[in-house]
Amino acid sequence: GENVEQHPSTLSVQEGDSAVIKCTYSDSASNYFPWYKQELGKGPQLIIDIRSNVGEKKDQRIAVTLNKTAKHFSLHITETQPEDSAVYFCAVTGNQFYFGTGTSLTVIP
Amino acid sequence: EPEVTQTPSHQVTQMGQEVILRCVPISNHLYFYWYRQILGQKVEFLVSFYNNEISEKSEIFDDQFSVERPDGSNFTLKIRSTKLEDSAMYFCASSTRWDRGTQYFGPGTRLTVL
Repeated sequence: GENVEQHPSTLSVQEGDSAVIKCTYSDSASNYFPWYKQELGKGPQLIIDIRSNVGEKKDQRIAVTLNKTAKHFSLHITETQPEDSAVYFCAVTGNQFYFGTGTSLTVIP
Repeated sequence: EPEVTQTPSHQVTQMGQEVILRCVPISNHLYFYWYRQILGQKVEFLVSFYNNEISEKSEIFDDQFSVERPDGSNFTLKIRSTKLEDSAMYFCASSTRWDRGTQYFGPGTRLTVL
């Protein structure tokens, strides 16, 4: 099956700084790459996604970039705020849904 | 905004007992999913369900697991004979038929097997 690696596992940034989380995958047939935010005690919530025919997508402070040749995609959060603190998971879809191992982001006020 | 709901929020059971976890997907969604998240680990796909049958399942989804849509609104996950290692958060999700990648997750059921 698909092998999804996510880095870093933990990330601390000062409020207002940017945060970048990267995922790599192995199956070149994968074509949909969502990012989820999971707050303590809650289920994952979709925050942004990108499809294989697009290289970059932006939604306010959040952006995702995809490099299909290199098989990696990244989540970029700019002007971080304390409420951005959560665990972020990337995911990759083929027939199944494969999640990355998660990044615990802490935004220090 | 429509949301996926799950009951119970926490289930405690003895090893060897059967448990049924319940989910109410978003009403116009046709694909339903179960995922598992062992404490501190990543979310793992278990099974997807469409048109009253399993469409995909992972290696985790062995014979002790089963899924059912007993009526027009509920989607259930049954674990026949629970083991200690089944202790985890179980998330239900749903999506439309046209956009399977965009899945909406419920809040989860924490299963504790003693």
